[in-house]
Amino acid sequence: KQEVTQIPAALSVPEGENLVLNCSFTDSAIYNLQWFRQDPGKGLTSLLLIQSSQREQTSGRLNASLDKSSGRSTLYIAASQPGDSATYLCAVMTVEGYQKVTFGIGTKLQVIP
Amino acid sequence: AAGVIQSPRHLIKEKRETATLKCYPIPRHDTVYWYQQGPGQDPQFLISFYEKMQSDKGSIPDRFSAQQFSDYHSELNMSSLELGDSALYFCASSPPTSGIYNEQFFGPGTRLTVL
Repeated sequence: KQEVTQIPAALSVPEGENLVLNCSFTDSAIYNLQWFRQDPGKGLTSLLLIQSSQREQTSGRLNASLDKSSGRSTLYIAASQPGDSATYLCAVMTVEGYQKVTFGIGTKLQVIP
Repeated sequence: AAGVIQSPRHLIKEKRETATLKCYPIPRHDTVYWYQQGPGQDPQFLISFYEKMQSDKGSIPDRFSAQQFSDYHSELNMSSLELGDSALYFCASSPPTSGIYNEQFFGPGTRLTVL
């Protein structure tokens, strides 16, 4: 059974810092990995999706990397801003005839002005 | 671009009542997935439908049932509601797959509060 772990559970940084969020998964036979942002009580906003054949994806100040063999992904946020404060969830997809997505519990990020 | 639509966005029910949540997938998407996210928890897969047939089942209670209709929209029916059913319910849809690309597109969620 796929398990996804995110470290740290919570992170507080001053504005302007670069930061890294970590995600690990137990079954490396994934199809893709996706990072989401979730504001309190709100829906999931997709940030980056990395296919299993890719090593990284970039969007603006965000960069996500994937090391499938070691079961790890990182989300790098450059020059953090207070508006980045949210919970960031990692999700992996496996495909065995049908898609199965397993989420991590998330890292709660607070960027202090 | 069209997104996944969920209704209602918020729902308040009493214990032992029933609730029906609706999901309208992105046009031409044929698969629908339901997830439940409790407070402070990660989203948990409940059930999925492909071409109006149940394709996979997760941790869905027996009190819940779901179906997908001919227009591909789906409804999650929840009976004998319990306080623990209070959660954010997400629906996701995915397009017909070609073995090349798979992705689930998530709706905004329905927040269910059981009093």
